[in-house]
Amino acid sequence: AQRVTQPEKLLSVFKGAPVELKCNYSYSGSPELFWYVQYSRQRLQLLLRHISRESIKGFTADLNKGETSFHLKKPFAQEEDSAMYYCALSVWTSNTGKLIFGQGTTLQVKP
Amino acid sequence: DSGVTQTPKHLITATGQRVTLRCSPRSGDLSVYWYQQSLDQGLQFLIQYYNGEERAKGNILERFSAQQFPDLHSELNLSSLELGDSALYFCASSTRTGGSQGYTFGSGTRLTVV
Repeated sequence: AQRVTQPEKLLSVFKGAPVELKCNYSYSGSPELFWYVQYSRQRLQLLLRHISRESIKGFTADLNKGETSFHLKKPFAQEEDSAMYYCALSVWTSNTGKLIFGQGTTLQVKP
Repeated sequence: DSGVTQTPKHLITATGQRVTLRCSPRSGDLSVYWYQQSLDQGLQFLIQYYNGEERAKGNILERFSAQQFPDLHSELNLSSLELGDSALYFCASSTRTGGSQGYTFGSGTRLTVV
């Protein structure tokens, strides 16, 4: 089954602390994974693609195929990082693709 | 501005009514995706269109339907509305059908059914 699991509904850290938002996936094909961020239930914004291996706003994510994980990390959390974070998996079925999202993790950065 | 336009931004309607949500994709994008975001269900994929054709269906109720027009804008029709249909409805677009480059999301339509 194709599935994305974000085990934590809420992650609360203090400013300056390291952050790791967990994401695990289940997919038989070659995974294409993304992280999206949503501030105050506004539109979702693409944060990271595993293909590009870039760092955006200090966030990084590494695909670990052995552990089927794509955890999002940041060494020093900032208050403006407080938002909802969604991990997403691009899946292909019958020659068409779509994104499947995890349930999301709310990151709360306290001053 | 992401380039994906959704109207209206807010909609309040009564149970049993029908509404139409509209989405204009980013210029050059051929694929349109509809998602429903409710507090208890998270982000649920509803349906995808590519260049006017339906390509994939997710957890879309029979009371809901969608279409994509020749100018590539899309409409999501919700009928016989129930209180549980209250949610944020997002439209997203991508250049190809696979979405490998990621989607661009609109700002959403907040539907409240009273």
